[in-house]
Amino acid sequence: ELKVEQNPLFLSMQEGKNYTIYCNYSTTSDRLYWYRQDPGKSLESLFVLLSNGAVKQEGRLMASLDTKARLSTLHITAAVHDLSATYFCAVDGLSGGYNKLIFGAGTRLAVHP
Amino acid sequence: NAGVTQTPKFQVLKTGQSMTLQCAQDMNHNSMYWYRQDPGMGLRLIYYSASEGTTDKGEVPNGYNVSRLNKREFSLRLESAAPSQTSVYFCASSDTGLGYTFGSGTRLTVV
Repeated sequence: ELKVEQNPLFLSMQEGKNYTIYCNYSTTSDRLYWYRQDPGKSLESLFVLLSNGAVKQEGRLMASLDTKARLSTLHITAAVHDLSATYFCAVDGLSGGYNKLIFGAGTRLAVHP
Repeated sequence: NAGVTQTPKFQVLKTGQSMTLQCAQDMNHNSMYWYRQDPGMGLRLIYYSASEGTTDKGEVPNGYNVSRLNKREFSLRLESAAPSQTSVYFCASSDTGLGYTFGSGTRLTVV
């Protein structure tokens, strides 16, 4: 059974600081997604990582994937208040013959002055 | 706008009442999914449909039924709502290798 673990679950950051969110998963997969969710809203796709060693960057966020370690990271550089949201990683896993997207519990990020 | 449309956006039910959550996509995707989101638990898969005419259970199927009416529509039914089903429900669709698109969600409260 595919399981996805994120840590930390809560993150309080000062503006200007750097931090990394970690996402571990339990079975082989070569497709991993990062989403952002604002309170009361749907999920916004941030990154799709499709192969080992993939690295993608958008603004102050950078995501990477190590399929051998079954680990993805979301690195935040010089955080700003607008990044406050909940971030989810999700792994596209083959189970029962079909692809399913399984989510981590999410990391609630609060950026403060 | 292209995408996944969910109705209703909000609903309050009394315990024991039934209701159907509707989902439609216009991207010609084969696969559709229903998730529920509870605080601190991320999104959990309730049911999915890999193609028209097929459905299968996800992580938390108890208390729910689904119907894949055609390629566009995938509905979720609560036959006898319970307070434990108070949640936000998201529908999603995908085509292999092209990513997932989520609807805007249905916020359901069972009292």
